[in-house]
Amino acid sequence: DAKTTQPPSMDCAEGRAANLPCNHSTISGNEYVYWYRQIHSQGPQYIIHGLKNNETNEMASLIITEDRKSSTLILPHATLRDTAVYYCTEGPGGSRLTFGEGTQLTVNP
Amino acid sequence: NAGVTQTPKFRILKIGQSMTLQCTQDMNHNYMYWYRQDPGMGLKLIYYSVGAGITDKGEVPNGYNVSRSTTEDFPLRLELAAPSQTSVYFCASSYASGANVLTFGAGSRLTVL
Repeated sequence: DAKTTQPPSMDCAEGRAANLPCNHSTISGNEYVYWYRQIHSQGPQYIIHGLKNNETNEMASLIITEDRKSSTLILPHATLRDTAVYYCTEGPGGSRLTFGEGTQLTVNP
Repeated sequence: NAGVTQTPKFRILKIGQSMTLQCTQDMNHNYMYWYRQDPGMGLKLIYYSVGAGITDKGEVPNGYNVSRSTTEDFPLRLELAAPSQTSVYFCASSYASGANVLTFGAGSRLTVL
């Protein structure tokens, strides 16, 4: 069973920031936080990962709380093409990953 | 650089038939994985491999078999297809060290009637 908890769905207005939360209640010190997304039954796509520090790349930003029990994926300017299911997961380096149900993000015009 | 390639994209099987889903990657990744995704649900890990000759069960291995004779290929075998195996199957791969960033294939949609 997945170890993370996410809301089943969220809405966001186009052009606004989308902030997707994830709880990592049982995360260990050596486990990374990962975010993936899946657009309409395509293969899931990697977005970003982090261990302790906040991270930013061309797709998104990742905020990890100091106790590492929660993370937030931020899409700074959501577009219609960002409508997808977003999965957070966790695991130590070089390990298998399990996925929960994810959050269905709908970006509205 | 094709990434992770899965074949076939679509297949319809009759109950009791057998088939193999093919997966190949050209990124020299050590780790490979098979997931299944039922309609409206998340991904469930079926089997994974940390290198040629090494495989291990995931969350839902019953009814499936795998082999890993080369670094590039990781086929998934269904011996006696059942309606419960109707699903979309995703293959993925990653490097062995550091953060486990998975690259997924496009998926194989299997229907068992």
